Amino acid sequence: QSALTQSPSASGSPGQSVTISCTGTSSDIGRYNFVSWYQQHQGKVPKLIIFEVTKRPSEVPDRFSGSKSGNTASLTVSGLQTEDDADYYCSSFAGNNNWVFGGGTKLTVL
Amino acid sequence: QVHLVQSGAELKRPGSSVKVSCKTSGYIFTQYYMHWVRQAPGQGLEWMGWINPNSGGAHYAQKFQGWVTMTGDTSSDTAYMELTSLKFDDTAVYYCARGSLLNDAFDVWGQGTMVTVSS
Repeated sequence: QSALTQSPSASGSPGQSVTISCTGTSSDIGRYNFVSWYQQHQGKVPKLIIFEVTKRPSEVPDRFSGSKSGNTASLTVSGLQTEDDADYYCSSFAGNNNWVFGGGTKLTVL
Repeated sequence: QVHLVQSGAELKRPGSSVKVSCKTSGYIFTQYYMHWVRQAPGQGLEWMGWINPNSGGAHYAQKFQGWVTMTGDTSSDTAYMELTSLKFDDTAVYYCARGSLLNDAFDVWGQGTMVTVSS
């Protein structure tokens, strides 16, 4: 299975909104609502921030939201804060007991 | 709280094997799948496979089939990942990550184990 496609970088100023996209195929994102997103600060462990396309763990701020259209999933971060400066990875169930990650997007808060 | 505590860093020679452990606590080990994910230096996340601690069944990404083995020890609530025939590009941080209740996301992660393959 091939990796999901993410833009390598994104940026925004504090208070702004930014959207990160994740493109797969009709065999993964397009077929299943099992898309999740992970935040990873430099040198730290990945953290789940979105699961099942749109759901947030209770401890994740509602500034983070997820959506999906066709074969593309998106993560929107509203009201950017400096602590949102991190790498973001999407993941999807890909059928046949397989999962796949995107290549990651480095979000810079200017 | 749920905790996943992994074994320490390893330095291995090419062609050798490594076995990484992931000690769990704070939940019922047999009720959740355990996944393994690796991250080469400066690179993204790569899913390797999962183990079902209840049945012992496992499934590996096609890339790793034949040279990775994932197991679980229900007496110690510990998951293991063994990688054989190590190559230089197996140098990476290896994470265990618990599958969520529906096993559709990775909700808790271990701290990572750095495996360095060097001659």
